[in-house]
Amino acid sequence: DSGVTQTPKHLITATGQRVTLRCSPRSGDLSVYWYQQSLDQGLQFLIQYYNGEERAKGNILERFSAQQFPDLHSELNLSSLELGDSALYFCASSPDGRSGNTIYFGEGSWLTVV
Amino acid sequence: AQKVTQAQTEISVVEKEDVTLDCVYETRDTTYYLFWYKQPPSGELVFLIRRNSFDEQNEISGRYSWNFQKSTSSFNFTITASQVVDSAVYFCALSKAGAGTWGYQKVTFGTGTKLQVIP
Repeated sequence: DSGVTQTPKHLITATGQRVTLRCSPRSGDLSVYWYQQSLDQGLQFLIQYYNGEERAKGNILERFSAQQFPDLHSELNLSSLELGDSALYFCASSPDGRSGNTIYFGEGSWLTVV
Repeated sequence: AQKVTQAQTEISVVEKEDVTLDCVYETRDTTYYLFWYKQPPSGELVFLIRRNSFDEQNEISGRYSWNFQKSTSSFNFTITASQVVDSAVYFCALSKAGAGTWGYQKVTFGTGTKLQVIP
């Protein structure tokens, strides 16, 4: 158990809908990361937060947004869902987000768009 | 630009055989970190090891060992006497500091090597 908690574990929704994925980082970790893993794209970095502030953006679509709250939990919002958004979404956390921090991953949220 | 190459897409071995998973990286930084993660069929990503660029000592943890060679930009992972529970996808990753920004690290993952251990 990495200490990173993600909900929900599984989600099935229809195209055009909106979903919110939630993440609680490990106790004491200030930085949160979101990754998308699909069959054909591998592990894709979406976005990183540090202590509530956005630090880096990767290949995150405009239909997707995220935030980190004062209590350090984070949410990833996916809207206008398309079939291609079906993937495993990981949240991860690290102590302060600096290089060399070990990133610990949650168990992921499996999203299926039908 | 930084890049991680795991050229072996899939490997199959018979139980108790030794197996080495290759990882080659590219970076222009002198300070960086390398990681290995395991993703079993259940899907979670499990941290295995972290190594910084100044420490080239090989590391052994039980049946797992890692060989870091800066001269060849490689960070290979060997499983000795493989077991069925080792069947998973293994990812190598490279981290560097984000330029000029506190609390940002750029992490690049390889495409993973799927290991199947046959009983």
